[in-house]
Amino acid sequence: EVQVVESGGGLVQPGGSLRLSCAASGFTFSSHAMSWVRQAPGKGLEWVSTISSSGYSTFYADSVKGRFTISRDNSKNTLFLQMNSLRADDTAVYYCAKGQQLMDWGQGTLVTVSS
Amino acid sequence: DVVMTQSPLSLPVTLGQPASISCRSTQSLVYSDGNTYLNWFQQRPGQSPRRLIYKVSNRDSGVPDRFSGSGSGTDFTLRISRVEAEDVGIYYCMQGTHWPLTFGGGTKVEIK
Repeated sequence: EVQVVESGGGLVQPGGSLRLSCAASGFTFSSHAMSWVRQAPGKGLEWVSTISSSGYSTFYADSVKGRFTISRDNSKNTLFLQMNSLRADDTAVYYCAKGQQLMDWGQGTLVTVSS
Repeated sequence: DVVMTQSPLSLPVTLGQPASISCRSTQSLVYSDGNTYLNWFQQRPGQSPRRLIYKVSNRDSGVPDRFSGSGSGTDFTLRISRVEAEDVGIYYCMQGTHWPLTFGGGTKVEIK
């Protein structure tokens, strides 16, 4: 059974940093691209970033480019999202999803940016 | 960026009756490999999103056959043949052809 489990969310002050992790199991992690998608409270879904299976190629939404960095450790079946210079409008539930076409999702981790 | 426009925003449906959601894109979603990467997602209240349909019309594993997807180019439709209580939630279309990936604004399905 495919499982992706996010962790690392929490309360952070504006301008601060946070690193999200996503532990994957039940599939060959190193063969699949992985993505992050977020959902602000009461709002719709927003794609954040995708990384290729090897980690060589990365893609970002304009809203996070230059502040967020996606990476992966294929030896540990883990996906990461390093978030710097956080702003209030980054407050959201962050989901990890398998593939560019988002075939399986985790339960999400809440990031709250507030002073 | 490709803008995905869904309609209606809200869809009250009688149990057992059909429902239909439209999704339109501002550019063709046909990729250079010939595939059209248009996906549909369901988000039940309080839950994570779940993919229902990929590449326009392919149901994901475990998705009831009352869900179907159709369309081509820039015009797509999700149909529920007979709405059940468990279908309540918000439905999103998403294009996976062009960067950045983009979602529609969502359609809320509720029971009348």
